[in-house]
Amino acid sequence: GAVVSQHPSWVICKSGTSVKIECRSLDFQATTMFWYRQFPKQSLMLMATSNEGSKATYEQGVEKDKFLINHASLTLSTLTVTSAHPEDSSFYICSARDLQLESGRDEQYFGPGTRLTVT
Amino acid sequence: GQQVMQIPQYQHVQEGEDFTTYCNSSTTLSNIQWYKQRPGGHPVFLIQLVKSGEVKKQKRLTFQFGEAKKNSSLHITATQTTDVGTYFCAGLKTSYDKVIFGPGTSLSVIP
Repeated sequence: GAVVSQHPSWVICKSGTSVKIECRSLDFQATTMFWYRQFPKQSLMLMATSNEGSKATYEQGVEKDKFLINHASLTLSTLTVTSAHPEDSSFYICSARDLQLESGRDEQYFGPGTRLTVT
Repeated sequence: GQQVMQIPQYQHVQEGEDFTTYCNSSTTLSNIQWYKQRPGGHPVFLIQLVKSGEVKKQKRLTFQFGEAKKNSSLHITATQTTDVGTYFCAGLKTSYDKVIFGPGTSLSVIP
């Protein structure tokens, strides 16, 4: 299957600092990438939909000024957590959508996730 | 808004027993996807169901999409310890829509 990478895999930062997480699709072009957040023993909560070349669409309750998303190319999307606080500590997972209209193929491939701890 | 529900939340089975998790959507879905997440890992795509009443099999796993395209099930025959993990269903309302995940069913297999 397709491969999606995330970097870093884990990061510890101090309260008030910003952290950037990268999501890359390695062997396919993804016009759409999704950013999820997952707390322990919970499901994935969609934070935002990132479309290449346009502004991200944020889910209700997600602060767009706090979670900056940039989808600069067909293989790269970044999530920047600005002015991080301890409550932002979580597992952040991206996924890249492999949508091929001709074949009807529509699959998401997830990155390995980034564990963020804010102290 | 659209909601996707799953039951049970947890399931403990003896190795060799069967296991089923059920997924229900509050709205009709364009398609439904199933994922497996091992402890400490990330979700891995298992399958996508598109057609009403569709049934697909992957070895010991059987996936079914309801006639009304509002519910789905995943059945594992003769569970093994390698089946341990959380199984999520995820639905799309339209082909171009965002994916909404259910809360997942956590499966434990007792050797």
